[in-house]
Amino acid sequence: GQNIDQPTEMTATEGAIVQINCTYQTSGFNGLFWYQQHAGEAPTFLSYNVLDGLEEKGRFSSFLSRSKGYSYLLLKELQMKDSASYLCAVPQTGANNLFFGTGTRLTVIP
Amino acid sequence: DADVTQTPRNRITKTGKRIMLECSQTKGHDRMYWYRQDPGLGLRLIYYSFDVKDINKGEISDGYSVSRQAQAKFSLSLESAIPNQTALYFCATSDLGAGEGNEQFFGPGTRLTVL
Repeated sequence: GQNIDQPTEMTATEGAIVQINCTYQTSGFNGLFWYQQHAGEAPTFLSYNVLDGLEEKGRFSSFLSRSKGYSYLLLKELQMKDSASYLCAVPQTGANNLFFGTGTRLTVIP
Repeated sequence: DADVTQTPRNRITKTGKRIMLECSQTKGHDRMYWYRQDPGLGLRLIYYSFDVKDINKGEISDGYSVSRQAQAKFSLSLESAIPNQTALYFCATSDLGAGEGNEQFFGPGTRLTVL
């Protein structure tokens, strides 16, 4: 089976940097996804990591350590529009679907 | 136009009623999914379909049924709605499986309230 742990809520200041952590347990690792979801809206894809290390995509970066079962999403130069939930997800063993964590709700304050 | 659409966007119904939520996609994807989202519980998979002839139960399929009418259409039915089925429902599509790094594309969601 799978299990994902993320902090429930975080608050950060506009212009700052925030790191959202995700730890996971899965019987067969096939990568890790991050999605962004604004309140009441659809989740949208941010990143996919399958190899160890940091992948940068504009203001957003995602890091993976397979040996530690750990990932983080790094958001730089925070903007008010970054207030959203950030969902960590891993492919389910066998079925090739996604198993989602409960998400981290980020609030950006002025 | 949106690639993945859901109808209705909001629905209020009463306990015991049969409800159908519809999903259509123009992305040409074979794989389609139905999720529900509850506060504090995240997204949970109800049913998924890898093509028109392949339908599978997800994590929480009890009380739900689905129909894949065509590659582009995947409907979710609540045979006899109950209040704990009040939730936000999302349809999603993907080209291939998550294990190959393929992202899922989500519809805008249907907010269902069962009184």
